[in-house]
Amino acid sequence: EVHLVESGGGLVQPGGSLRLSCAASGLSFSSYAMSWVRQAPGKGLEWVSTISGDGGTTYYADSVKGRFTISRDNSRITLYLEMNSLRAEDTAIYYCVDTLTPATHAFENWGQGTMVIVSP
Amino acid sequence: DIQMTQSPSSLSASVGDRVTITCRASQGISNSLAWYQQKPGKVPTLLIYAASTLQSGIPSRFSGSGSGTDFTLTISSLQPEDVATYYCQKYNSAPQTFGQGTKVDI
Repeated sequence: EVHLVESGGGLVQPGGSLRLSCAASGLSFSSYAMSWVRQAPGKGLEWVSTISGDGGTTYYADSVKGRFTISRDNSRITLYLEMNSLRAEDTAIYYCVDTLTPATHAFENWGQGTMVIVSP
Repeated sequence: DIQMTQSPSSLSASVGDRVTITCRASQGISNSLAWYQQKPGKVPTLLIYAASTLQSGIPSRFSGSGSGTDFTLTISSLQPEDVATYYCQKYNSAPQTFGQGTKVDI
């Protein structure tokens, strides 16, 4: 069974930084692209970023491009999201997700999420 | 970027009703479409991928259809436990955009 456990959320001032982590277990981690998805309070799901299995290719939503950096450590079976220049509109639950198969990038397993609040 | 538009944004139906939610892509995405269910206060779960393939463990009253730009999620007989918000998502390439969601009530 796959488990994804996020950590690192919290309260941060506008302009500040946070680093989210996602510890994975139960999957061949390096074989799967991994992603972050967020959900602002009372709002819908928003894809944030994706990284390939080997970490060599990354993708970002326009809303976070240039401010967020996705990375992974396959030896530690951990996914990261470095968030800089945070804004109020980044306030959300951030979910770590894996893909159904290496070739089918629907999001199969979701972590419980970690809350990020950007406020003075 | 390809936009994903769901309709309706919300609906109310009775137990046993057939419920249909549509999702339209602004450009063709072949069958690279997934549907997710998010119950109140819970984490989203994958219902359907490849437009019509039911994820393991999902009840057979859920089905999906479509290809290209127009897709449909159908609940053949609505149950109380199906109260949730449903999202479509394109996943063929980045950005892997979600629809805005359809809230289903009893």
